Amino acid sequence: AQKITQTQPGMFVQEKEAVTLDCTYDTSDPSYGLFWYKQPSSGEMIFLIYQGSYDQQNATEGRYSLNFQKARKSANLVISASQLGDSAMYFCAGLTGTASKLTFGTGTRLQVTL
Amino acid sequence: DTAVSQTPKYLVTQMGNDKSIKCEQNLGHDTMYWYKQDSKKFLKIMFSYNNKELIINETVPNRFSPKSPDKAHLNLHINSLELGDSAVYFCASSHDLTGAADTQYFGPGTRLTVL
Repeated sequence: AQKITQTQPGMFVQEKEAVTLDCTYDTSDPSYGLFWYKQPSSGEMIFLIYQGSYDQQNATEGRYSLNFQKARKSANLVISASQLGDSAMYFCAGLTGTASKLTFGTGTRLQVTL
Repeated sequence: DTAVSQTPKYLVTQMGNDKSIKCEQNLGHDTMYWYKQDSKKFLKIMFSYNNKELIINETVPNRFSPKSPDKAHLNLHINSLELGDSAVYFCASSHDLTGAADTQYFGPGTRLTVL
């Protein structure tokens, strides 16, 4: 079984600033993947970025990067140069090699301000 | 060029009714899923199907019955709807059943309201 914890229910960031959304995970499976999804107010779930447990480098996708610290079991999402359109719920999710179901954290609501 | 589509987007119905939600994916994926998002935004898997075969059934009441006529479609039928079934239901699909790198892509969601 896998557990995903997001301890920040809400975050504020000013436009053009960087922000880090925290995620910690707990699994005994050596093979796992960590995902971040964005859910804007319109409701859809948008895949942002993936990090595999065996990846040597932190994942990056445009303005999104994943700060993966295996020893700390953390996979924090960093959004650089925040935009108003980044205001949304952000979910961290985990997948292990032995089970195909995504386990989600409780989400962080990010609000980008002018 | 919608990848994962769901119909309807909104569903309002009375307690006790039976309703269905349809899901289709055009990504050529082998695996499809149903997730439920409750009023606190918590997402939890309900079912997964791989190539029309049920793989995961997560302690969901048997009033919920998924049906997969082919690997591109996974429908969700709900009998005798209850107030507690009100939620957003997401369909998702992924390429492969096993493997921790298997990214799941979500449909737009169906908001079900039971009155």
